[in-house]
Amino acid sequence: SQKIEQNSEALNIQEGKTATLTCNYTNYSPAYLQWYRQDPGRGPVFLLLIRENEKEKRKERLKVTFDTTLKQSLFHITASQPADSATYLCALGRVDTGRRALTFGSGTRLQVQP
Amino acid sequence: DAGVIQSPRHEVTEMGQEVTLRCKPISGHDYLFWYRQTMMRGLELLIYFNNNVPIDDSGMPEDRFSAKMPNASFSTLKIQPSEPRDSAVYFCASSFRDTTRNSPLHFGNGTRLTVT
Repeated sequence: SQKIEQNSEALNIQEGKTATLTCNYTNYSPAYLQWYRQDPGRGPVFLLLIRENEKEKRKERLKVTFDTTLKQSLFHITASQPADSATYLCALGRVDTGRRALTFGSGTRLQVQP
Repeated sequence: DAGVIQSPRHEVTEMGQEVTLRCKPISGHDYLFWYRQTMMRGLELLIYFNNNVPIDDSGMPEDRFSAKMPNASFSTLKIQPSEPRDSAVYFCASSFRDTTRNSPLHFGNGTRLTVT
């Protein structure tokens, strides 16, 4: 069955370091991948989208890679700050079906220590 | 723009009661999605609409769940009768065009439903 896996354990890092979060998928041929940030008691907020023909996307301190061979996306936050502490969700979408909805991973909680 | 607005923010009800969750999408968005989030299952798609028409309701758990979108600015998700296992946070999201066209989802802040 189709599966999207994110590290369920929280990631703890020191302020100023680079945080790297992983999203792996199986039995899935996504055409694009999106990353969202979710704070407690709030809905997810869109951060970045990357398509299958793109290797890397950047936005300010954020970088996303998409490797369709490894079936993996990496999400990097450089020069991390305590304000980056949140849960980060990856979501996959596909265009080979009529379904125009994203499937989400369970998220990884990031804690940046000052 | 006020964003996606959901009401109520919290709902506590007894098993067997009817529950209605409400959503106002962002004006101009023609896709509306209902998701449910639990610790065990994460964020699951229940149903989505395009131009007020339900497109895919395969995620609706069972007949106790129903969703409507009578117009472009309002949608409801109804659970009747409610059961304790329905306890979750229910999110509504909208997007301009479908999410394949570089169009992200805009989520509301959810309704936390507790069924006792």
